[in-house]
Amino acid sequence: EAQVTQNPRYLITVTGKKLTVTCSQNMNHEYMSWYRQDPGLGLRQIYYSMNVEVTDKGDVPEGYKVSRKEKRNFPLILESPSPNQTSLYFCASSVHDSRYEQYFGPGTRLTVT
Amino acid sequence: AQKVTQAQTEISVVEKEDVTLDCVYETRDTTYYLFWYKQPPSGELVFLIRRNSFDEQNEISGRYSWNFQKSTSSFNFTITASQVVDSAVYFCALSEAPPGEEELPQETSGSRLTFGEGTQLTVNP
Repeated sequence: EAQVTQNPRYLITVTGKKLTVTCSQNMNHEYMSWYRQDPGLGLRQIYYSMNVEVTDKGDVPEGYKVSRKEKRNFPLILESPSPNQTSLYFCASSVHDSRYEQYFGPGTRLTVT
Repeated sequence: AQKVTQAQTEISVVEKEDVTLDCVYETRDTTYYLFWYKQPPSGELVFLIRRNSFDEQNEISGRYSWNFQKSTSSFNFTITASQVVDSAVYFCALSEAPPGEEELPQETSGSRLTFGEGTQLTVNP
């Protein structure tokens, strides 16, 4: 089954404790991206990757890191999480780039206390 | 900077009513793509439609229709004879060219995707 998976689905952590949210797709897609969803703000793009070893900032990259060492995986790293990073996070992939339908993961609900 | 505005934060209708969700966008790109996604209460994001800037034909899919007007920079979504299952948050989105390539005449690869704030639609029985 074609899908995008994210882990964990729910996470409660404390300020400053490094964490990684994993994202994996099995569709051989070139493009992957991370978004955060906050009430009243819609989805905002954090980082995107056009292919392996090619990543770039979206609209809200501060406080986040990403890597794309393999085509299927695109982890999101919070080196020192802060409460303002409490949010619902979505990973997505598409066949080539943002001009194409995005396939979204199920979301990760992160709470930073 | 590219921008998508969904001015209607919440809409509430009674079943079988028609409802239109507005989407207004701003871009300097000569070529761009617009999307609608649905987020039902279960939380997943579901693709509904993709439209490029050169195709202004309206599209109909069952009870769903989309009206794209470049003159007003709008890409509105209408649900005819709404049903309770249509209750969801609906997002409009715009794909933009990489920075520095916005005004190239040829089609460039899309990199960033900008979403609107979303419209919460509630359809009551």
